[in-house]
Amino acid sequence: GAGVSQSPSNKVTEKGKDVELRCDPISGHTALYWYRQSLGQGLEFLIYFQGNSAPDKSGLPSDRFSAERTGGSVSTLTIQRTQQEDSAVYLCASSFMGGGEQYFGPGTRLTVT
Amino acid sequence: AQSVTQLDSQVPVFEEAPVELRCNYSSSVSVYLFWYVQYPNQGLQLLLKYLSGSTLVKGINGFEAEFNKSQTSFHLRKPSVHISDTAEYFCAVSLGSSQGGSEKLVFGKGTKLTVNP
Repeated sequence: GAGVSQSPSNKVTEKGKDVELRCDPISGHTALYWYRQSLGQGLEFLIYFQGNSAPDKSGLPSDRFSAERTGGSVSTLTIQRTQQEDSAVYLCASSFMGGGEQYFGPGTRLTVT
Repeated sequence: AQSVTQLDSQVPVFEEAPVELRCNYSSSVSVYLFWYVQYPNQGLQLLLKYLSGSTLVKGINGFEAEFNKSQTSFHLRKPSVHISDTAEYFCAVSLGSSQGGSEKLVFGKGTKLTVNP
């Protein structure tokens, strides 16, 4: 079946602009996660949605970052007023109720110039 | 809070040699344990997982790992590596979710395995 998909695969933006990154989880997966992978920081958790519960936003690095999940499926990660340190690969993952493992998408490579 | 330490940032080995990639974790409660592999310019792929039960878990591509609670370790092993195993390997832990499944993954810094001919 289809895996986790993310769009765009690459995004180049100018410092100060807003960007939106999209994630389509595996159908039927109730949990959705966003992570960031950068050279300096490795793999970092950003935010986690589980069903109808309030999201765990504890990993968001600043109030410029936000995410929403509409209808329990697609999620959008928004970065406002992008900075050069936001350059990274943003990874989305999903998992199903009762499952331990998370399935990752291919990521969106964000470059802020 | 949980943390993961991967002691070796780079491991070079020759083809057909055995390899062990080390992972230690810190947590005051029971955790789930995972190894993920990332091939160059690709996403993360699950190699294996420990949720409960047998402490020796077998994964894809001939890899296995052993959960050792007393040493808080989850080392990854393969008895004979191939050139195609060249990749970066990440150890990760998570707590179980009250609604089933797992909460956020906490990753180690990764180990780059290079298999030479």
